[in-house]
Amino acid sequence: NAGVTQTPKFRILKIGQSMTLQCTQDMNHNYMYWYRQDPGMGLKLIYYSVGAGITDKGEVPNGYNVSRSTTEDFPLRLELAAPSQTSVYFCASSYSKSQGGVASPLHFGNGTRLTVT
Amino acid sequence: LAKTTQPISMDSYEGQEVNITCSHNNIATNDYITWYQQFPSQGPRFIIQGYKTKVTNEVASLFIPADRKSSTLSLPRVSLSDTAVYYCLVGGRNTGGFKTIFGAGTRLFVKA
Repeated sequence: NAGVTQTPKFRILKIGQSMTLQCTQDMNHNYMYWYRQDPGMGLKLIYYSVGAGITDKGEVPNGYNVSRSTTEDFPLRLELAAPSQTSVYFCASSYSKSQGGVASPLHFGNGTRLTVT
Repeated sequence: LAKTTQPISMDSYEGQEVNITCSHNNIATNDYITWYQQFPSQGPRFIIQGYKTKVTNEVASLFIPADRKSSTLSLPRVSLSDTAVYYCLVGGRNTGGFKTIFGAGTRLFVKA
């Protein structure tokens, strides 16, 4: 299993440009998430999805959009990039229910480092 | 959502045991306590999870007192490779990750 795969690893955007951060998982997880992490800070939830066709906002959704057309893929779209969106973006996935009595942990990709100038 | 409080940073030496304590005073009855580890340029990685008393796996131990208002992650005999940020989270058993909040974590620095 590859786990959670994110592309690209790095990207530089100019203000006002748009891009899509790709995320795919091969663990058949129902839940998927997008987080951003600013330097020295914890992770903030942008959007999440509980299954194909269902998405919902997290703590910091403004400036982003998502879609979930398949169980495996959960792309994050930036329409009009702003310097405030310079960050490292992490995609994660998990099962929806506890597994063997243990609450399902999150599985993370290795992130996309985005700079907007 | 239960808020957690952890020390911002800790230093240790190779071979020592490291204990990182997390406070979660308003933990709910059905909340689990989960710890993640994050190395530079990587996503967080699940370490251990518990509900009460003590849990041990091949990586760490987790101690949770009876009132569950705090928990302590114990890393036995740390090595340089344990230098990382450690996050304590609390969340419901069947709610998925969208109801867990990552704080700033504890930055552990292990010295030779």
